[in-house]
Amino acid sequence: GAGVSQSPRYKVAKRGQDVALRCDPISGHVSLFWYQQALGQGPEFLTYFQNEAQLDKSGLPSDRFFAERPEGSVSTLKIQRTQQEDSAVYLCASTREGTSNYGYTFGSGTRLTVV
Amino acid sequence: AQSVTQLGSHVSVSEGALVLLRCNYSSSVPPYLFWYVQYPNQGLQLLLKYTTGATLVKGINGFEAEFKKSETSFHLTKPSAHMSDAAEYFCASRGSSASKIIFGSGTRLSIRP
Repeated sequence: GAGVSQSPRYKVAKRGQDVALRCDPISGHVSLFWYQQALGQGPEFLTYFQNEAQLDKSGLPSDRFFAERPEGSVSTLKIQRTQQEDSAVYLCASTREGTSNYGYTFGSGTRLTVV
Repeated sequence: AQSVTQLGSHVSVSEGALVLLRCNYSSSVPPYLFWYVQYPNQGLQLLLKYTTGATLVKGINGFEAEFKKSETSFHLTKPSAHMSDAAEYFCASRGSSASKIIFGSGTRLSIRP
């Protein structure tokens, strides 16, 4: 597609519920990144894929967070047993290259609210 | 560790006035530096980037930034503010592993009529 597409745009989850957030990167983009943006803060790195390989997951805050990109295109970020502190905007970005040297193209994000 | 510091969480200028948003970085490797803009309920849009070469970088919407190695700074400027410039601005730097970009905490720019 023309841009990075994320769905849903908004998600309200009850505490303890599992959620799945989808990212559809620009066609042909090798690298895919997930970021978490809390209210009033800058984006914080969660994880990075190059094609289907998850090369860096150092930013995932707990083992409740899991990401996958099985065919090297669409990616899903899954959060199990959601907690109120998981409320944030989750941003996905992609880039053609295998590094971050030239910047990313971001999606519009998924705003997760845990109640 | 790599870090990006944005000085001032909120900047307010009059329409037509100079915009100056400050950013300092720390890096143990040659930095790749970025400015992104975020409008309400939208993702981040790349304004400009410094990789190598010319230290004065021009971006979209009339913005530019100058890389000053001696000051470890990458401040964003625009000669004349427009109402449509009101948004959140993020300075960012490539991380030491080159696999991720690290963002500052952001500066909210307000424009007074």
